[in-house]
Amino acid sequence: DVKVTQSSRYLVKRTGEKVFLECVQDMDHENMFWYRQDPGLGLRLIYFSYDVKMKEKGDIPEGYSVSREKKERFSLILESASTNQTSMYLCASSTKTGEMGGSNQPQHFGDGTRLSIL
Amino acid sequence: QKEVEQDPGPLSVPEGAIVSLNCTYSNSAFQYFMWYRQYSRKGPELLMYTYSSGNKEDGRFTAQVDKSSKYISLFIRDSQPSDSATYLCAQRGYSTLTFGKGTMLLVSP
Repeated sequence: DVKVTQSSRYLVKRTGEKVFLECVQDMDHENMFWYRQDPGLGLRLIYFSYDVKMKEKGDIPEGYSVSREKKERFSLILESASTNQTSMYLCASSTKTGEMGGSNQPQHFGDGTRLSIL
Repeated sequence: QKEVEQDPGPLSVPEGAIVSLNCTYSNSAFQYFMWYRQYSRKGPELLMYTYSSGNKEDGRFTAQVDKSSKYISLFIRDSQPSDSATYLCAQRGYSTLTFGKGTMLLVSP
């Protein structure tokens, strides 16, 4: 079974802090993703990575950055946390293999980090 | 605009009922769809994926794609209280997946 592990289930931080969310997958997947999920807005893609040291902006990258130094680990960074970044953050991974060989294969998710910015 | 639309619900049914969950999509370029189940305070879990038109069955779950109407469905037979969750559909896009916002299903004993 694919295991995607997010380092914290719940996190409380203060406005202006630099916040790191960590994600590790154990299936040697090439692709990794960060989403945020808010009521009524669904899943929104922040950033994704299709290889080590590679990153692509998703739909809402503003205020976030990412780091992928190792294949199994993908970090989301809130450079200066703001209250509108209070949300559930979900990490996902997928293999690159498949009929199209890209970053659009079925994704496997972690259980999320519920982040509150005060 | 590439969108996947779902009714947010909640959809409330009694135990044992047949449930139909639906999505519509606008982009016909990619005919590869997925269904995810998300329990409260958990991440989405991949249930099924299906390619192009037709049905795919897995136990009590059947996924169906109707290309002509751009409609995808998930049927749950003999629904159980443990099926109570939010169900998200997703469509493969050029580089990532496009998700619907999810339909909440409540199955009462």
